[in-house]
Amino acid sequence: AQSVTQPDIHITVSEGASLELRCNYSYGATPYLFWYVQSPGQGLQLLLKYFSGDTLVQGIKGFEAEFKRSQSSFNLRKPSVHWSDAAEYFCAVGASHAGNMLTFGGGTRLMVKP
Amino acid sequence: SQTIHQWPATLVQPVGSPLSLECTVEGTSNPNLYWYRQAAGRGLQLLFYSVGIGQISSEVPQNLSASRPQDRQFILSSKKLLLSDSGFYLCAWSWGLAGNEQFFGPGTRLTVL
Repeated sequence: AQSVTQPDIHITVSEGASLELRCNYSYGATPYLFWYVQSPGQGLQLLLKYFSGDTLVQGIKGFEAEFKRSQSSFNLRKPSVHWSDAAEYFCAVGASHAGNMLTFGGGTRLMVKP
Repeated sequence: SQTIHQWPATLVQPVGSPLSLECTVEGTSNPNLYWYRQAAGRGLQLLFYSVGIGQISSEVPQNLSASRPQDRQFILSSKKLLLSDSGFYLCAWSWGLAGNEQFFGPGTRLTVL
């Protein structure tokens, strides 16, 4: 069975600083990987996904993520954080079988200092 | 384009009362459908998923049930709510092929008192 670990429960960064959110996964085959963002009281919005091909994936809102098979990681990055990026971020791994289910990490809450 | 709706947006129910949450998807056919629960400060827990009408798979044993009476309608129910059922319930849909992302609804905040 697959699993996802997001080691950092909370992260605080200053506005304008760079950001990296960590995600490690466990899956026996080539994974499908996703990053979602959730604002308080809202549903989840897809930031980006890795399906195959180029290991550096560009997403919306200036985010990118890099798939590193050797480290079983899919870390999310942004070069300069904006106050509006404060939210909860979830990494997920998808299974290649019927149902297309995703397994989510526990999430990382990002706070942005002015 | 596709949209997903959930209602109600918020709900306050007494312990022991029944529950019915509804999710509908527009703009696609034969989607996979999912119900998640998110407890306060916690991640997402998959409760049920469905790959077709009348086909429901349960991921976690509990006092909740799900039904899919129509292709794009997914209902979460309970006969008697528990305090522990409080949380944020999210419905999602995806295309059936592996690797496709899930698209989430706005959620329902359920408080059981």
